[in-house]
Amino acid sequence: DVQLVETGGGLIQPGGSLRLSCAASGFTVSNNYMTWVRQAPGKGLEWVSVIHSGGSTYYADSVKGRFTISRDNPKNTLYLQMNSLRVDDTAVYYCARGHYIHTSGFQPAPSNAFDMWGQGTMVTVSS
Amino acid sequence: DIQMTQSPSSLSASVGDRVTITCRASQSINNYLNWYQQKPGEAPKVLIYAASSLQSGVPSRFSGSGSGTDFTLTISSLQPEDFATYYCQQGNSFPFTFGPGTKVDIK
Repeated sequence: DVQLVETGGGLIQPGGSLRLSCAASGFTVSNNYMTWVRQAPGKGLEWVSVIHSGGSTYYADSVKGRFTISRDNPKNTLYLQMNSLRVDDTAVYYCARGHYIHTSGFQPAPSNAFDMWGQGTMVTVSS
Repeated sequence: DIQMTQSPSSLSASVGDRVTITCRASQSINNYLNWYQQKPGEAPKVLIYAASSLQSGVPSRFSGSGSGTDFTLTISSLQPEDFATYYCQQGNSFPFTFGPGTKVDIK
């Protein structure tokens, strides 16, 4: 079965650190681009970070310098290391797999959409 | 950063109605525009990628159009399971950004 399962969320004090994990099954994380997206309670979606198959990474300005995206290839798992957490980092964090466009005769091309999502893990930053 | 806006922010409609949601980017994003549906308590689900391509398994009543800065999601005949919040997302340049969402509820 193809799925993503996030773990690692919880209650943490401001200034603390937390590492989220996203275990993949049915496909290989390192062969895909993978992302983290978050959603504060009652709010919209906010893109957080992406890691490409080649290893390059990108971040939203709101988390740059505080969050680090990475992956463990043997464990087929994506991570988000979150440091210097702030109250406004409180959200459900989703991991998701990047979508590719398949055209006959061409290499698959990233559409930069996300076609498979985990169920999310809640991070609450509060004193 | 590219800013995404959506209109309307919410709408009320009946089963069978044709529904149109608009998304505008603050600068050209070519056709790197994706649409998602999210129901309460669930993860988002991609409906449309590359502005107008229907994701596998998504009903054909959903369609997308547009290029450059202006895009549209259309539901040709609203079904009970379509009551949800819809988000656009640009994938043209980092940081990727989502629109604020359009909530579709029952009239």
